[in-house]
Amino acid sequence: NAGVMQNPRHLVRRRGQEARLRCSPMKGHSHVYWYRQLPEEGLKFMVYLQKENIIDESGMPKERFSAEFPKEGPSILRIQQVVRGDSAAYFCASSPRQGNSGANVLTFGAGSRLTVL
Amino acid sequence: AQTVTQSQPEMSVQEAETVTLSCTYDTSESDYYLFWYKQPPSRQMILVIRQEAYKQQNATENRFSVNFQKAAKSFSLKISDSQLGDAAMYFCAYRSRAGGTSYGKLTFGQGTILTVHP
Repeated sequence: NAGVMQNPRHLVRRRGQEARLRCSPMKGHSHVYWYRQLPEEGLKFMVYLQKENIIDESGMPKERFSAEFPKEGPSILRIQQVVRGDSAAYFCASSPRQGNSGANVLTFGAGSRLTVL
Repeated sequence: AQTVTQSQPEMSVQEAETVTLSCTYDTSESDYYLFWYKQPPSRQMILVIRQEAYKQQNATENRFSVNFQKAAKSFSLKISDSQLGDAAMYFCAYRSRAGGTSYGKLTFGQGTILTVHP
């Protein structure tokens, strides 16, 4: 079981470019969450997705950020027109469907570190 | 909204000794989960221990145990027989037990950096 896979591990972008971060959940997990960790801070919830559905995006910035979890393929967190303040580590986590006895535990990926020059 | 506070930015301990990391939280809910996560330099978030609020018994996982004081809204982590590999950032986290959109939505504290001295 490969766990939650995130790529790239490191991404460097110049201001105004687009950043795409990918996340493949653990096998058997149908729920994906994205968190952001700014320097010297804890993780902050961004968005919760199921296949083809955004369930809760209350933590997403109103502009430039979007997320999807298509029927096939990984979940994508997209940041358009990046600014220096977007520099952070972005973590993806997954869990089984609700109602599963192990469903209260999230499994995190190793994160993607975005640096905006 | 729930908040989680870790008042110790840094802690240190001698190898083989015991250390306690503090965490307090604020919530109006009566049923929830609490977690401690470890983040080593690799940045991987690793679950250390979890506690369900409706259980009075404190959770234990090998050398790791918690002191859960529900009335005081306190959830401290005790690491016994500290090892060099325990050095990491430790995060306390809260999650509502409610389903729906709260599912999987963790609220994290600011973290405590633990240094283990040989």
